[in-house]
Amino acid sequence: GDSVTQMEGPVTLSEEAFLTINCTYTATGYPSLFWYVQYPGEGLQLLLKATKADDKGSNKGFEATYRKETTSFHLEKGSVQVSDSAVYFCALTESYSGGGADGLTFGKGTHLIIQP
Amino acid sequence: NAGVTQTPKFQVLKTGQSMTLQCAQDMNHEYMSWYRQDPGMGLRLIHYSVGAGITDQGEVPNGYNVSRSTTEDFPLRLLSAAPSQTSVYFCASSYSGLAGGRQYFGPGTRLTVL
Repeated sequence: GDSVTQMEGPVTLSEEAFLTINCTYTATGYPSLFWYVQYPGEGLQLLLKATKADDKGSNKGFEATYRKETTSFHLEKGSVQVSDSAVYFCALTESYSGGGADGLTFGKGTHLIIQP
Repeated sequence: NAGVTQTPKFQVLKTGQSMTLQCAQDMNHEYMSWYRQDPGMGLRLIHYSVGAGITDQGEVPNGYNVSRSTTEDFPLRLLSAAPSQTSVYFCASSYSGLAGGRQYFGPGTRLTVL
């Protein structure tokens, strides 16, 4: 079945540091890929997505590129802020192309802590 | 719009008790789903619905029932609570399936089963 593997946390960085959170996936078809963010005490919010190979998703200074050859979707940000402290989830679905409605397959989440 | 709302925010049950977690959305989304979030496990799909009257099982459906009588509401029922169901439960909705679509998540219900 489908699976998503992301680096374990917590990841602790200083403000303005460069961020990379690794995400690799296993899928039988051509998945759409997502990054969701969960701030303390809240539900998940979509951060960015990519629906086909070589697409780059971007939002709020975060970027991730869909790499089919390495089955990866690493999240990057050039200069993190304290307000970026949250849990980040990589996720995929294979259901979009056929119009199916299965859910998302999530990684275990990476807790990011940014220190001033 | 209120988005996706969930009640209650917190709940403590004894083993064997039943309860219903409520979920509602006011965005006229066809697709709704329930996930549970456990430490070190990420989120796992319990049940989902592609429209009123239509539901299906996800990855971990045992011990849970759902129904979808209206577009707005998608309650999750625990039939006989067990300690293994201690978790944080999230409801989500999207406009039409997952066709590259954005999922909107509720704030979650934290359930403890003693």
